This record gives sequence, structure tokens and C-alpha cells, in this order.
Amino acid sequence: DAMVIQNPRYQVTQFGKPVTLSCSQTLNHNVMYWYQQKSSQAPKLLFHYYDKDFNNEADTPDNFQSRRPNTSFCFLDIRSPGLGDAAMYLCATSRDQGNEQFFGPGTRLTVL
Amino acid sequence: AQSVSQHNHHVILSEAASLELGCNYSYGGTVNLFWYVQYPGQHLQLLLKYFSGDPLVKGIKGFEAEFIKSKFSFNLRKPSVQWSDTAEYFCAVNAWAGNNRKLIWGLGTSLAVNP
Repeated sequence: DAMVIQNPRYQVTQFGKPVTLSCSQTLNHNVMYWYQQKSSQAPKLLFHYYDKDFNNEADTPDNFQSRRPNTSFCFLDIRSPGLGDAAMYLCATSRDQGNEQFFGPGTRLTVL
Repeated sequence: AQSVSQHNHHVILSEAASLELGCNYSYGGTVNLFWYVQYPGQHLQLLLKYFSGDPLVKGIKGFEAEFIKSKFSFNLRKPSVQWSDTAEYFCAVNAWAGNNRKLIWGLGTSLAVNP
């Protein structure tokens, strides 16, 4: 089945220690998104790639970076995680920007 | 600024009760409308969507929603809920924001269905 895969499912890191989360998709969608979701809240868009074009949300901290080396993969780098960055990180894809988004299972990040 | 408002933050129902979750948005242009569901411990998945055409759309698991353009609303309904419908429900509107289209999310409604 075509899908969105996120690794790892659970990540524990120490305060200030860089961490990278990965997302891959077999849907061949041209748009990939990274969201942050905290408990009982709506997902908050961090940034998205439309093909190779990177689009950062205005309120996304500089601490968060992303890379998309090819159509299938997208990475979220958190350069210096703080306690406030503990959350579920969701990757999603869509065919163009107006269509439904397909979500991965998420990576739950714990910051000690 | 565009926004999506979900009227009910927490809903508790008994099985077989009818469900209606309200969703209103503020955006004057063309929108694509979605309801997503997040079951406990699972990933977000699409319940239903509206792009154009018949304003009454049917989704998975017996859910439906009606787009009323004049009211900027896209309410979700199910005639008879089941315990397995316990989940978080998000209304989302895809609209232009600057040069990009993005999903504007409601805050979500937590539905608990008692057996």
C-alpha cells in the first residue's frame, strides 16, 4: 500500500542535542509537510516543500530546519531541542497544495 | 486572517445518539474543506472532503458533511454513533495564504462515545 512512513516512531533526546526525524513516502506526491502537534491540539505547520521549493512558516523557530534530498524523502532537523519542543511531529504529503493530505504515524519526541 | 472555528471542544454521547459537529471558517475566496479524524494512538486520516459540486458529501464510516456557502459552514454529521467513533475530529480549510495554499485547522473536537 502506498503510504507515508516516519522514523523513528519514538525519539528521546537530551536538551540541546541535535536530532533528525525522517519521513518517506511511496505516493509520489510533490508536496511534503512537517507539522508539530502537542497534546489535544491541532497540528501546527512548520514548513512544507512544493517540489524543491522550501516554504517556511513565519512563526517557525530557526531551531527547526528541513531537507528534501529527493521526491520520496524529507527530514526535520532540530538543532538544539528545548523542553518546549517535546511533541508529536507529523509528516504529510499531498498531490499539489489544494488536495487532501496523507499523514504518517508521527514521531513522538521527548526532550530530557 | 483566515480562521476555522469548531464550536464543540468536548462532546460526550451514548451509542446510537446522533452527532453534529459544527465548523465555521472565515475566508472569502474559494476553499477546499476537510474533516480529519484521529483515533486514539493512530495517525490523522481523512473522513471526507468537499471541493465542488453537491454540497452534501459522504465520507467513510457513515459520516457526512454539508457545505453551506452562505453560512461559511461545513458541519459534520452521523445519524448513529458507535463506541469506535471515539476520537479527535478536526475541521480544516485549504485556502490561499500569500503565494501558497495551506490548511487552516480548527482546534479539534474530542468525541467520547459511551457504550
